Amino acid sequence: GNSVTQMEGPVTLSEEAFLTINCTYTATGYPSLFWYVQYPGEGLQLLLKATKADDKGSNKGFEATYRKETTSFHLEKGSVQVSDSAVYFCALDSNSGGGADGLTFGKGTHLIIQP
Amino acid sequence: GAVVSQHPSWVICKSGTSVKIECRSLDFQATTMFWYRQFPKQSLMLMATSNEGSKATYEQGVEKDKFLINHASLTLSTLTVTSAHPEDSSFYICSARDSVRDEQYFGPGTRLTVT
Repeated sequence: GNSVTQMEGPVTLSEEAFLTINCTYTATGYPSLFWYVQYPGEGLQLLLKATKADDKGSNKGFEATYRKETTSFHLEKGSVQVSDSAVYFCALDSNSGGGADGLTFGKGTHLIIQP
Repeated sequence: GAVVSQHPSWVICKSGTSVKIECRSLDFQATTMFWYRQFPKQSLMLMATSNEGSKATYEQGVEKDKFLINHASLTLSTLTVTSAHPEDSSFYICSARDSVRDEQYFGPGTRLTVT
């Protein structure tokens, strides 16, 4: 079956540091890949996505590239801010159900940015 | 952006009682909604896919008679936890698929505590 593995947290960084959160996946076919962010007390929000190999998703300074050869979708940001503190989830959609499939999530990585 | 609401945001109930959780898409129609369950420091686990006008599709290991799902309209799905037990205590999250934008939008979640 499908699975998503992401680095365990919490990850604690200083403001303006470089961020990488690793994510690897197992899936059949050609999944779409996502990063969601969950701020305290709020629902999950889509941060970025990529739908095919070598696509790069980007938003709010975050980037992730769909690497089929390494089955990875690592999240990066060049200079983090305190406001980036949240839980980040990597997820995939197997695309096998015509848009009617739920997502498979990683366990989430709690990111803490210190001023 | 698209908004999905859940009600209630938290609920406490006694063992043996039933509790209903509502999921609404506020500004778009959703023929497909999803129900997830999240344990502390765990990933979201898909419980079932809710299809408007038809029966829900449950993931393996999810008791359909315990977790009743009704998708009565294009903007409302409900999850009823019947004969609740303490082990049903969890965070329940719904999402709704906007077929026009081809994206899932998540509700803020409902914290259920069974005493």
